[in-house]
Amino acid sequence: SYVLTQPPSVSVAPGKTASITCGGNNIGGKSVHWYQERPGQAPVLVIYYDYDRPSGIPERFSGSNSGDTATLTISRVEAGDEADYYCQVWDSSSDHVVFGGGTKLTVL
Amino acid sequence: QVQLQESGPGLVKPSETLSLTCSVSGGSINAYYWSWIRQPPGKGLEWIGYIYYSGSTNYNPSLKSRVTISIDTSKKQFSLKLSSVTAADTAIYYCSENDSSGPFDIWGQGTMVTVSS
Repeated sequence: SYVLTQPPSVSVAPGKTASITCGGNNIGGKSVHWYQERPGQAPVLVIYYDYDRPSGIPERFSGSNSGDTATLTISRVEAGDEADYYCQVWDSSSDHVVFGGGTKLTVL
Repeated sequence: QVQLQESGPGLVKPSETLSLTCSVSGGSINAYYWSWIRQPPGKGLEWIGYIYYSGSTNYNPSLKSRVTISIDTSKKQFSLKLSSVTAADTAIYYCSENDSSGPFDIWGQGTMVTVSS
């Protein structure tokens, strides 16, 4: 089965840029979606189809996907960005949904 | 705008069957893939399975032997049954929808289910 690998944690100072990676075999050939999950709340879609942003998501959130790594980038990080972030793909070979293990973003 | 709402018992005894329902409002259930996703306390998101509006299903291999997802389009609801539950099935259960390889852009608020005697 397809596996997505994320770092357990990423720390960043306010105002700096955070990069959260999502590794998978030839993930560049798949569409990657990213979710933000704050404590006690349902996940919220922040990036879809690798780099598109839903309405209401700040332009500070961006995504890229190539080779074996997809990346969620958050520019000018704010305290309110502190949350868990998950990547997700649809594995077309099995028609299964796969989530990464999640990354806890800490704003220092 | 489609809204989803999970409902069902918050406490289930070990070895029994967990049953949850997701009600769809504000849009049609006659399209898209309708999924169940769960999150054990302190852990990540786990996709349980989906049902297409036509009734076809696909399940996470790790849960396939215990999972049944069904749909009632007349009631605009889809349901999850998870049999032979153990404490490891304690989790927040979410319902959501997507379009094949598309994102889960709409989620229910989630419902906490505890497996305990």
